[in-house]
This record gives sequence, C-alpha cells and structure tokens, in this order.
Amino acid sequence: AQSVTQLDSQVPVFEEAPVELRCNYSSSVSVYLFWYVQYPNQGLQLLLKYLSGSTLVESINGFEAEFNKSQTSFHLRKPSVHISDTAEYFCAVYGRDDKIIFGKGTRLHILP
Amino acid sequence: EAGVVQSPRYKIIEKKQPVAFWCNPISGHNTLYWYLQNLGQGPELLIRYENEEAVDDSQLPKDRFSAERLKGVDSTLKIQPAELGDSAVYLCASSLNSGAYNEQFFGPGTRLTVL
Repeated sequence: AQSVTQLDSQVPVFEEAPVELRCNYSSSVSVYLFWYVQYPNQGLQLLLKYLSGSTLVESINGFEAEFNKSQTSFHLRKPSVHISDTAEYFCAVYGRDDKIIFGKGTRLHILP
Repeated sequence: EAGVVQSPRYKIIEKKQPVAFWCNPISGHNTLYWYLQNLGQGPELLIRYENEEAVDDSQLPKDRFSAERLKGVDSTLKIQPAELGDSAVYLCASSLNSGAYNEQFFGPGTRLTVL
C-alpha cells in the first residue's frame, strides 16, 4: 500500500534562510508525487507535482522538489523563505485505487 | 473563475444533533471528493463521485454519514447523529476527471465542532 511520511511536524526558519521539508514515500506502483500548501484559513493548493520526466520540479514561487527513486524521497526546498511562506505543507502520493494519500503535514514557521 | 465553494465555514453543534455540509464544485468538473481532516493530520478521503455516482465510499462511516450529489453538480455530506469524535475540518475538492494528471482543487473547508 502507498504511504507518505513527513519527518518533521514543525520547522522554524529565519526569514531569507533556506529550508528543506522532508518527505519519504512508499509505493509499489508508478509513482506520482505532490506537494500541497495550506495557508491559514484557506483550502489546500497544489504547489508542485512529479508525474514523469525531469526529477526536479519547480513551483512559481521559488520552491522546488526532487524525486529520488533510490531514496524514496521527494523533499521540498526553497533557497530563501519569506514571511508569506508561513503555511502547512503536505506531501502526497497518488495511490493505485485513484486516491491521494497525504502525509501528516509540516508546519513552516518563518522567524523575523 | 470561481473556486470550490463550501458552506458553512464553521458549525458548532451538540452531540447527537444532525449536521449537513454543502459543496459547489468548479463548473465542469466531473469528479468531486469529500475529505476529512483531523487536527494535526493530512486529509483522508471519505467519498469520491464521478458525476452523480459514488465510485469510492469505502472510508465513509455509513452508520452515521451519508452523501449525495444530485444531478452531478452540488453535493451534500450529512452526519446524523454527530459524535464528539466528528469534530474536524471537512474538505470538498473537485477535478475535471479522476486520475493523477487531473489537479484536485480544494474548497476552504467546514470546521465542525461537536460539544
């Protein structure tokens, strides 16, 4: 069965510092991976996704994630965070039964 | 283009009372999802509709939960009777069709508190 593990429930980081949010997955079928972001009092929004092709995928607001098959990881990175990046981030994998399986989320705290 | 609309945004009820949540998906989206999000957890699928047909309701507690999607557009999720453990955020999402290549768009959710 597919599963997702987000190793950190909370990550504090200073503004303009780099950040990495870790995600490991388990899947026995073709791997489709996603990062969703949930800003305070809003619904989830798709941040980026890996479906096929290049293993490095980018979002429009400077985040990137790299699909690493050997390490079964899909870590999310940003070289310089802003206060507006404060949110909860969910890693997810697409399951064989047409379900998205979400991790428990990582809350990103930006410190001034 | 309007996103997924959910109402109410917040609901407080006493246990054993009924409650209903409403969802209006993005126009033209055939697939509609209801998710449950407990505090500190990621969303978990309750039910998925393809048009008006519930194609996956395996995670829906059918003794107290019910859902419908009349005419394949709006959907309602009902709990009767509500229990303390039902306090959570209920998310609705829609996509053009199912499958990994079709992005799911989420509504803001309904936060339910059962006293």
